[in-house]
Amino acid sequence: DAGVIQSPRHEVTEMGQEVTLRCKPISGHDYLFWYRQTMMRGLELLIYFNNNVPIDDSGMPEDRFSAKMPNASFSTLKIQPSEPRDSAVYFCASSPPPSGRANEQFFGPGTRLTVL
Amino acid sequence: AQKVTQAQTEISVVEKEDVTLDCVYETRDTTYYLFWYKQPPSGELVFLIRRNSFDEQNEISGRYSWNFQKSTSSFNFTITASQVVDSAVYFCALSEGSSGGSNYKLTFGKGTLLTVNP
Repeated sequence: DAGVIQSPRHEVTEMGQEVTLRCKPISGHDYLFWYRQTMMRGLELLIYFNNNVPIDDSGMPEDRFSAKMPNASFSTLKIQPSEPRDSAVYFCASSPPPSGRANEQFFGPGTRLTVL
Repeated sequence: AQKVTQAQTEISVVEKEDVTLDCVYETRDTTYYLFWYKQPPSGELVFLIRRNSFDEQNEISGRYSWNFQKSTSSFNFTITASQVVDSAVYFCALSEGSSGGSNYKLTFGKGTLLTVNP
């Protein structure tokens, strides 16, 4: 069974450009999470969805960041306009419905974003 | 608010040594979940274990073992007979429960970089 898929794996862009990160969760998982990892702040939850609906976006740093989940198998995280301080590794994770394995989050390989 | 503290920033051991990674957590909830994740040099996050707050039994999986003590709010992780392949950053994480269901927000500690030297 395929794990969480993220694309691109690496992204280098210039300040001011729009960046779109993509995620495909594990089939059957109805929770999807976006995290950001930096040396300074560690792993931070940005936003998470349940059944395609955003549940908590309190971690989204500012209006330049937006996330969507148009269907159960696809989500995007967009940064517009990007800034050098957005440089980080962005992880997507998914989790199955409440069950004995509740809360177990499966992470994708991450997208390493560099904003010049 | 929930908080996870991993006081050890870096640990270096020689192969075959035992090593314990500390994790202390803070939460006001009586229902919560604790996790350990491994992040090897390749960068992905690998799930190791989940423990709920009502299960204080220690767990052993091969060379890995976990010691959960609610009295000290700790969830420590021990690797026995460490190997070079164990070199990674290890994260402890906490998810608070809530009435009627689980809160899926994971709060991570800062991580402990473990280096196992041959």
